[in-house]
Amino acid sequence: GENVEQHPSTLSVQEGDSAVIKCTYSDSASNYFPWYKQELGKGPQLIIDIRSNVGEKKDQRIAVTLNKTAKHFSLHITETQPEDSAVYFCAASGNAGNMLTFGGGTRLMVKP
Amino acid sequence: KAGVTQTPRYLIKTRGQQVTLSCSPISGHRSVSWYQQTPGQGLQFLFEYFSETQRNKGNFPGRFSGRQFSNSRSEMNVSTLELGDSALYLCASSLVLTGGAEQYFGPGTRLTVT
Repeated sequence: GENVEQHPSTLSVQEGDSAVIKCTYSDSASNYFPWYKQELGKGPQLIIDIRSNVGEKKDQRIAVTLNKTAKHFSLHITETQPEDSAVYFCAASGNAGNMLTFGGGTRLMVKP
Repeated sequence: KAGVTQTPRYLIKTRGQQVTLSCSPISGHRSVSWYQQTPGQGLQFLFEYFSETQRNKGNFPGRFSGRQFSNSRSEMNVSTLELGDSALYLCASSLVLTGGAEQYFGPGTRLTVT
């Protein structure tokens, strides 16, 4: 089955700096790659996603890139703010329904 | 539009008991998936329902089961609870059952087994 690895597990940045989180996946059939943000006591919130026919997608301060050949995708957050502090999860999904395989998560801390 | 709702939000049970958790998807969404989240294993897929039929199942024992009703609401049941079943159980809903459908999560049910 699919296996998703996520790095780093923790990331501390100064407010205003950029943050990058990287994920690799194993199943070449995977074609959908969402990113979720989870705050304490809440469920994961979908923040951006990318499909295998696209190399990059941006939404204001966040962007995701996908390299299908290397089987890795990354989340980029620019101009980080304290409210960006949370745990971020990458995930991958193929054609077998909506089942998501998640990475282990990255705890992002943005220091004011 | 209201988001995914899950009830109850917190639950404490004793080993050997059974528990039923409920999920109401976003209005109009027909696919419901369940995930277990623990500090050690992370987020793991349990099962997925569409049109009242289980479409996919994760690698969990048969003590974990679920169902979906005609209004797309879903329940999951865990029988003969074990200490290791303590976790946050998350429900996610999607409009359709196709690879790449956006999934939206509820706040989860925190289950503690003592």
